[in-house]
Amino acid sequence: DVKVTQSSRYLVKRTGEKVFLECVQDMDHENMFWYRQDPGLGLRLIYFSYDVKMKEKGDIPEGYSVSREKKERFSLILESASTNQTSMYLCASTVAPGTPGLSGYTFGSGTRLTVV
Amino acid sequence: ELKVEQNPLFLSMQEGKNYTIYCNYSTTSDRLYWYRQDPGKSLESLFVLLSNGAVKQEGRLMASLDTKARLSTLHITAAVHDLSATYFCAARIGGGATNKLIFGTGTLLAVQP
Repeated sequence: DVKVTQSSRYLVKRTGEKVFLECVQDMDHENMFWYRQDPGLGLRLIYFSYDVKMKEKGDIPEGYSVSREKKERFSLILESASTNQTSMYLCASTVAPGTPGLSGYTFGSGTRLTVV
Repeated sequence: ELKVEQNPLFLSMQEGKNYTIYCNYSTTSDRLYWYRQDPGKSLESLFVLLSNGAVKQEGRLMASLDTKARLSTLHITAAVHDLSATYFCAARIGGGATNKLIFGTGTLLAVQP
């Protein structure tokens, strides 16, 4: 069964801490994504990556950075955590566009981050 | 910039009734997705719609796509309690290698006995 695994289900961090959220996929997918989910706002795209060491800003990149050193792993970094970054973070992956077949997006189970 | 609007945001319905969730998107998109999310869980893929007039059905759920109107609908037939969840639509945009999904705000569906 294909999987996107997020390393932590729940995290509590202090304001100003540097926070790493890890995501690993075992499907050899080229494209990976980080979203945050907030009530009434749906899912908003933070960053995405279409290849190793490649990254693109999404709609709300401020306060975040990402790292993709290996194809299977995509990390989200909060350089200095703030309380307004308290949220549910979801990682997703998919094959590159043009790949034969329906390119579904597979989501991880999410990391609920609380910044105090 | 692509925007995806979903309505209603909240839907309370009785078992056995029919209802429709609407999803409008503002610019051209080549694919429209529907997802289900149960409380505390991740997103489960329901449908992927590729072309104008596409219709897909799974059990009591049927999704359709009108690319000219930039509208997708998720129709619920004879609702049952097990369908209670949050439903999201998402439109795919981007060219070349850089495709991405833009989500609607979600519809929280509560089916009452």
